[in-house]
Amino acid sequence: GEDVEQSLFLSVREGDSSVINCTYTDSSSTYLYWYKQEPGAGLQLLTYIFSNMDMKQDQRLTVLLNKKDKHLSLRIADTQTGDSAIYFCAETFSGNTGKLIFGQGTTLQVKP
Amino acid sequence: NAGVTQTPKFRILKIGQSMTLQCAQDMNHNYMYWYRQDPGMGLKLIYYSVGAGITDKGEVPNGYNVSRSTTEDFPLRLELAAPSQTSVYFCASLGQGSTDTQYFGPGTRLTVL
Repeated sequence: GEDVEQSLFLSVREGDSSVINCTYTDSSSTYLYWYKQEPGAGLQLLTYIFSNMDMKQDQRLTVLLNKKDKHLSLRIADTQTGDSAIYFCAETFSGNTGKLIFGQGTTLQVKP
Repeated sequence: NAGVTQTPKFRILKIGQSMTLQCAQDMNHNYMYWYRQDPGMGLKLIYYSVGAGITDKGEVPNGYNVSRSTTEDFPLRLELAAPSQTSVYFCASLGQGSTDTQYFGPGTRLTVL
């Protein structure tokens, strides 16, 4: 079955780069997403990557996809205290009515 | 556009009580979803709908019911609340386009005592 796993916690210093990792089991996924959740808030879509891409860059965010290893990562350059949040990776599948399978989330703590 | 709206924001229920969580979207999206988020966990799909009059079970449907009489509204019903249903509930709708992006509501925090 489908399964998405993430490490639970990451702590970095302000100004450093953060790398949040995610692994998934189903190779038939079509889109892979990164969502951000701030305390007490809903989910905000940060970025996504189509499964036939290897990399996507969007300002401070870089997404890398290794299809062979079923590994997805999100790199945040110049991490700021405002980046402190929980980050979820999620996948969806062709013909799967848009249902998202989520990882358990990685809490990013940015220290000043 | 208001996007996806949910009411109430917070609710405390006693065991055995019932309630309906409301969800509405004004983007004319066909697909809508209900997820629950338990502490320290990702979101699990409860029910979803691909259009008015059509609903289907997700990963964790037990103890819940849904209906979809209009495109805009997708209420979630808890008939006999149990402590295991203490969670944060998120509604989402699916945008039409190449990214198939889901838009999430702000969530309803439910506590069952």
